[in-house]
Amino acid sequence: QVQLQESGPGLVKPSETLSLTCTVSGGSINTYSWNWIRQPPGKGLEWIGYIYHTGRTSYNPSLNSRVTMSVDTSKNQFSLQVTSVTAADTAVYYCARKCGSDSYSFDYWGQGTLVTVSS
Amino acid sequence: DIQMTQSPFSLSASVGARVTITCRASQNITSFLNWYQQKPGKAPKRLIYGASSLQSGVPSRFSGSGSGTDFTLTISSLQPEDFAAYYCQQSYKSPLTFGGGTKVEIK
Repeated sequence: QVQLQESGPGLVKPSETLSLTCTVSGGSINTYSWNWIRQPPGKGLEWIGYIYHTGRTSYNPSLNSRVTMSVDTSKNQFSLQVTSVTAADTAVYYCARKCGSDSYSFDYWGQGTLVTVSS
Repeated sequence: DIQMTQSPFSLSASVGARVTITCRASQNITSFLNWYQQKPGKAPKRLIYGASSLQSGVPSRFSGSGSGTDFTLTISSLQPEDFAAYYCQQSYKSPLTFGGGTKVEIK
């Protein structure tokens, strides 16, 4: 059974960089795409982007210039960085696997981690 | 970007009721439409993929239909554990986008 677990600081100051890591267990990171999705409190879901084990990425243009994703296949982990954060980046951040079939849907999700942007 | 519009925003229904949620895409997405259920404080859970394929382990009272731009999620007989938020999501074209969600509440 594939499991994903987010980790990282729960509080980030405005203008600083948000950094999160997702650790994948029960399966290899060398297949599928690995995604970040966020949800501001009380609001809907926003896809941030994905990364493959090769390092190939695709980002949502709404965040494109501030987002960087990376992957560490030796640790079965992938990471997210969002620079110059503001209060609007306060959200629960989920990592999720997008399957290569099944309509390219998100079949496994982490439990989510709340990141608050505040001084 | 492909806009996904869900309706209603929320609904109130009784146990045993038939519930239908609609999702409209701003352009043709063929059958690249997925549905998720989210309970408070939890991650979303995949219910339906490819517009109508039921995720393994999901009760058969859930069904999905549609293609092109118009899609529906139907719960044939609402159960207490079905009270949650439901989201549609298109996987046809990047950026991947979600509908705004439908909250199903107890009447």
